Amino acid sequence: DQQVKQNSPSLSVQEGRISILNCDYTNSMFDYFLWYKKYPAEGPTFLISISSIKDKNEDGRFTVFLNKSAKHLSLHIVPSQPGDSAVYFCAASATSNYQLIWGAGTKLIIKP
Amino acid sequence: GAGVSQTPSNKVTEKGKYVELRCDPISGHTALYWYRQSLGQGPEFLIYFQGTGAADDSGLPNDRFFAVRPEGSVSTLKIQRTERGDSAVYLCASSLGAGELFFGEGSRLTVL
Repeated sequence: DQQVKQNSPSLSVQEGRISILNCDYTNSMFDYFLWYKKYPAEGPTFLISISSIKDKNEDGRFTVFLNKSAKHLSLHIVPSQPGDSAVYFCAASATSNYQLIWGAGTKLIIKP
Repeated sequence: GAGVSQTPSNKVTEKGKYVELRCDPISGHTALYWYRQSLGQGPEFLIYFQGTGAADDSGLPNDRFFAVRPEGSVSTLKIQRTERGDSAVYLCASSLGAGELFFGEGSRLTVL
């Protein structure tokens, strides 16, 4: 039973446009959400996070939106750049439990 | 180095053999995590160390898997009687307390 789902295995976006990556979760106990970025042959690197007390967190070109009622979060990247091409993982945890539960990832391809 | 270091980067072994994977965390990081990532999936939690002790080993799939961190720094993940289904990338991460996880590049294990 997947508690964190990323339903799009891949996404292709034109350079300069907005990239929107989506993530859904089922466990209402999750109260902290993170996005990680992964290049081939490298470990995941932390990108941005959001606590369940917020509905938006912004860091430069990256914004994460959280819709608790829909159990949905999204990562917006604008403008998209070639270096953004990577696999993006959504992960979630409950503060009482440090374990991260991960989605399967979405491969983002930025086209020139 | 400044980051999490994992060795070997690649390991090919035969079914039934014993394997050790090593993780050298970022200096001063008290928490250390092992995750396993199978093809097309997100990382799956295996075990978490706080200092020298395994605070949570609930993610270890069975008793063929064991991990140690005797001096609270370097950790070794040990897999006995390897099976083809153990083939995956084994990721190690460390953090300062409950902070952001920093991942190594992973050890790719292939069991023939």
